[in-house]
Amino acid sequence: GQQLNQSPQSMFIQEGEDVSMNCTSSSIFNTWLWYKQDPGEGPVLLIALYKAGELTSNGRLTAQFGITRKDSFLNISASIPSDVGIYFCAGQNSGGSNYKLTFGKGTLLTVNP
Amino acid sequence: DAGITQSPRHKVTETGTPVTLRCHQTENHRYMYWYRQDPGHGLRLIHYSYGVKDTDKGEVSDGYSVSRSKTEDFLLTLESATSSQTSVYFCAISESRYGYTFGSGTRLTVV
Repeated sequence: GQQLNQSPQSMFIQEGEDVSMNCTSSSIFNTWLWYKQDPGEGPVLLIALYKAGELTSNGRLTAQFGITRKDSFLNISASIPSDVGIYFCAGQNSGGSNYKLTFGKGTLLTVNP
Repeated sequence: DAGITQSPRHKVTETGTPVTLRCHQTENHRYMYWYRQDPGHGLRLIHYSYGVKDTDKGEVSDGYSVSRSKTEDFLLTLESATSSQTSVYFCAISESRYGYTFGSGTRLTVV
């Protein structure tokens, strides 16, 4: 099946620093999504990308859909303590009526105040 | 709120007992999914449903069964719980290509 390689697995940064994480796939996707999971909660959608090359921002978050459709990255600028959590990338192919997502294994982000 | 609830939020059960987890949605979404989350493995799909009485297996379906008799409810059953099924279980719903909405999870411990 399809697999996503997400890196890094974990990051320890100081408040105010910028963060970058990425996902690569062995196959192409039509949609890339980025989720954040707070402790004890389910993942919440941050950004969705629908076209190759697309660059989308949501506040301090910026994500890009790779031109090859096999990768995506997420940047967080000027990190703050509430950015702590696990970030997941996900790829989706919406062929037919199937909207299943394939998830990366996550990046655990720790922000030191 | 997204209109998806999971119950129970926490459960401890003994090896060999049956366990049923419930996912309830008020969004009338067609697709529902069950994932388990384990350290080092991320989110892995157990089963999913694409309509009432229409279900299919995911990548880690062994030991699990599901049922969907109504649009709003998707049940996950562990017929005979094992310690390897100790995990956090998430339900998700979707209607289109705009990603999933997740529930808050059920933490299951099998002792």
